[in-house]
Amino acid sequence: EDKVVQSPLSLVVHEGDTVTLNCSYEVTNFRSLLWYKQEKKAPTFLFMLTSSGIEKKSGRLSSILDKKELFSILNITATQTGDSAIYLCAVRVDSGTYKYIFGTGTRLKVLA
Amino acid sequence: ETGVTQSPTHLIKTRGQQVTLRCSSQSGHNTVSWYQQALGQGPQFIFQYYREEENGRGNFPPRFSGLQFPNYSSELNVNALELDDSALYLCASSLGTAEAFFGQGTRLTVV
Repeated sequence: EDKVVQSPLSLVVHEGDTVTLNCSYEVTNFRSLLWYKQEKKAPTFLFMLTSSGIEKKSGRLSSILDKKELFSILNITATQTGDSAIYLCAVRVDSGTYKYIFGTGTRLKVLA
Repeated sequence: ETGVTQSPTHLIKTRGQQVTLRCSSQSGHNTVSWYQQALGQGPQFIFQYYREEENGRGNFPPRFSGLQFPNYSSELNVNALELDDSALYLCASSLGTAEAFFGQGTRLTVV
């Protein structure tokens, strides 16, 4: 059965800290891995990764995929209170039809 | 704002009733997926529609059904509601295999 596992489940840090969120997966017919930030309701798109070893960066956030070891990390540097959210990792699989398999998320709380 | 809109935002239904949730996809997007997110969990894939045809389904019973219309908007129908159906229902739209953008969701409470 396809599965996506995120760690840690929750994390509390202080402003200015750097955090690393982990996502590992075991799926068949992998196509891509996506990161989303969920603050209240709608997950908002952060990154889509399809190739190993190529870092994607957006401001203080960056992410990289390792397709050999089947994991991805999301880094957030110089954290701010506005980074407090649930970070979701999703893997897109494609076996004729495609779907996203989500992890349970990492709940990040950044203290002022 | 992603351009994906869902209605209603909140809904309370009684066990055994039926419910219809609606989603308008982002302009130009031809693929709509529906997800159920229980409290403290990640979204669970229900099904996906592409050009008005279902082309993917998760582990949900047949009482979860859907439609996609020619303008690519979509409905999720749930019959014979159960207490465990209480959740946030998310709709996501995409253009083919590109990244999906989510609506704000419908919070369904079954009592």
